[in-house]
Amino acid sequence: GAVVSQHPSWVICKSGTSVKIECRSLDFQATTMFWYRQFPKQSLMLMATSNEGSKATYEQGVEKDKFLINHASLTLSTLTVTSAHPEDSSFYICSARDRQGLVEKLFFGSGTQLSVL
Amino acid sequence: SQKIEQNSEALNIQEGKTATLTCNYTNYSPAYLQWYRQDPGRGPVFLLLIRENEKEKRKERLKVTFDTTLKQSLFHITASQPADSATYLCALDEAGGGNKLTFGTGTQLKVEL
Repeated sequence: GAVVSQHPSWVICKSGTSVKIECRSLDFQATTMFWYRQFPKQSLMLMATSNEGSKATYEQGVEKDKFLINHASLTLSTLTVTSAHPEDSSFYICSARDRQGLVEKLFFGSGTQLSVL
Repeated sequence: SQKIEQNSEALNIQEGKTATLTCNYTNYSPAYLQWYRQDPGRGPVFLLLIRENEKEKRKERLKVTFDTTLKQSLFHITASQPADSATYLCALDEAGGGNKLTFGTGTQLKVEL
């Protein structure tokens, strides 16, 4: 199946710094990628939809100036958490769509655990 | 908005038995319903997809049913193994294409020797 690579796997940073997370589709091109956030024992919550060559679409309640998304190529989307604070500590997961037969399926990265001190 | 209910309590079963996990939703039936496996500290891995006009789908030891009248999907793992221990998430894809997947909180399955 399709492979989505996400880096880093975990990051610890000081409050006020910015953190960039990369999401790559390794063996397919993805015009659309998705960014989710997951708190412990909770479901994945969609944060934004990343569209190659255009602005990302953010879900209600997600600050676009805080969570900057760039999708400059068909295989790479980045999420930058700007001026991170402890409440931003969470598990961030990206996914990308790939057509498998007649159906488009989502393939997920391995996630990034962000801890803000 | 859709509300998805999965049993939040862990399901413990013995190796070799069939595990059955439940996913209930509250509003209109989605175009697709998907099941994923998630291991601790990892992203979800796609397992099965079932369309609203399908009642059952199988893949090896996995079976998914979809009852739009009951607004429920059941996920079965037959001949369960300790390696099947993980959290299983159901997700509703209301329009198809994976644009707006709504995930349940998942049910943790523990398969004991």
